[in-house]
Formats: sequence, C-alpha cells, structure tokens
Amino acid sequence: GAVVSQHPSRVICKSGTSVKIECRSLDFQATTMFWYRQFPKQSLMLMATSNEGSKATYEQGVEKDKFLINHASLTLSTLTVTSAHPEDSSFYICSAGQGGYTFGSGTRLTVV
Amino acid sequence: AQTVTQSQPEMSVQEAETVTLSCTYDTSESDYYLFWYKQPPSRQMILVIRQEAYKQQNATENRFSVNFQKAAKSFSLKISDSQLGDAAMYFCAYRKNQGGKLIFGQGTELSVKP
Repeated sequence: GAVVSQHPSRVICKSGTSVKIECRSLDFQATTMFWYRQFPKQSLMLMATSNEGSKATYEQGVEKDKFLINHASLTLSTLTVTSAHPEDSSFYICSAGQGGYTFGSGTRLTVV
Repeated sequence: AQTVTQSQPEMSVQEAETVTLSCTYDTSESDYYLFWYKQPPSRQMILVIRQEAYKQQNATENRFSVNFQKAAKSFSLKISDSQLGDAAMYFCAYRKNQGGKLIFGQGTELSVKP
C-alpha cells in the first residue's frame, strides 16, 4: 500500500530560526501533496497544496513567505517554516496518494 | 463551497456495543468521495472507510460500515462490536471526484468504556 514518510517527528527550534519538514512518498509517485496544520483537539486545517515542478497553492490566510513549500521531485515535498515564532508551534501533517490519500505521521513543532 | 459537519464533539460506547457517528456535508457536485479517518492518540491518520458517491451500496470494512444517504447528504459511520482500540478522534472528509484536497469535519472524539 501507499506509504508516506514524514520527518522529523518532533522538532524544537529557537524563535527566529527556520525549520524544514520533509514528506516523502516511499512506494509511489506523488505529483500532488498536501500540508495540514492541526491544533490539539481540533480538525486538520489545509495550509497548501504542493505541486511537483510548480508553485504551491496556498489556502486563504496562510502566509506564503512564512510557510515555504518546495516539491522538487515526484517523491518529496518540503515545508519550511521561516523565522518561526511560538505561535507557529503546532502539529504539521502531510498527505499524498490516490483514492483516500495516505498521511505522514506528522511533525510536532515547538518554537521556544 | 463544500462543507463537512460533524455535530457530535464527543461520543461514548461500551465495549462490544455499537455506536454511530454522524456526518453531514454540503456540495453541488454529483460525483465525489466521502471518507472516515481515525486519529488515535499517536495522531497518525488512518483511513477507515471510503464511499464513492456514484455507488448506492453502502461501504463496509469488517466492523465498520457507513449509511450513505446521498439525497440527504448524510454519511454516518457505524462501529459494531466496539473495541478499546477504537477509541480515537474520528474525522469525516469529502473530496471531489477530480481529486484535490480533502475537506474535513470538526471531528468526533470516541471513547470506549471497558
């Protein structure tokens, strides 16, 4: 079955620094990947749609310059949180695939 | 715009009993997919069941089944013989047939009592 790998699972960074999260499709090619953000006890909020070889499509209200998305290959999409601040602390999840989509295991970002 | 609504923030069921989680949605599309995802404490999203809108037959996966009412735009999940491992957050989701993003409901937190 489709497998999506996401790294790191946890990251702590200092305020003002940048952090990169990777999302890889291990056994299939993904022209499109999705990035979500989730706060505790809440639903998944779509941040952006990552398109291989072209610019990502961001949802309304998501800062493009803060959340940089790169989808340079058919198996890898990255989300970079730039100049992170404590309010960016959250759980970030990627997904890809056909049909019902497969999700990565998520990344818990803590900005201190 | 499409929307998905889960009106039950929390549900509880006794082990071995049956529970039904509700979901309604709104769309002007005629062809689409509906899903139920499970998110246990590990926060890994797990696909439980999916339903193609063009299929009249309700999808089933072992102890999990859905009641898909297209005209009413309702898509409920029934869990039979509930097990302790079923305790999780459950999300209902919608996707247009042409692919694209999943639209999630607010989620229902299911607890299973031994």
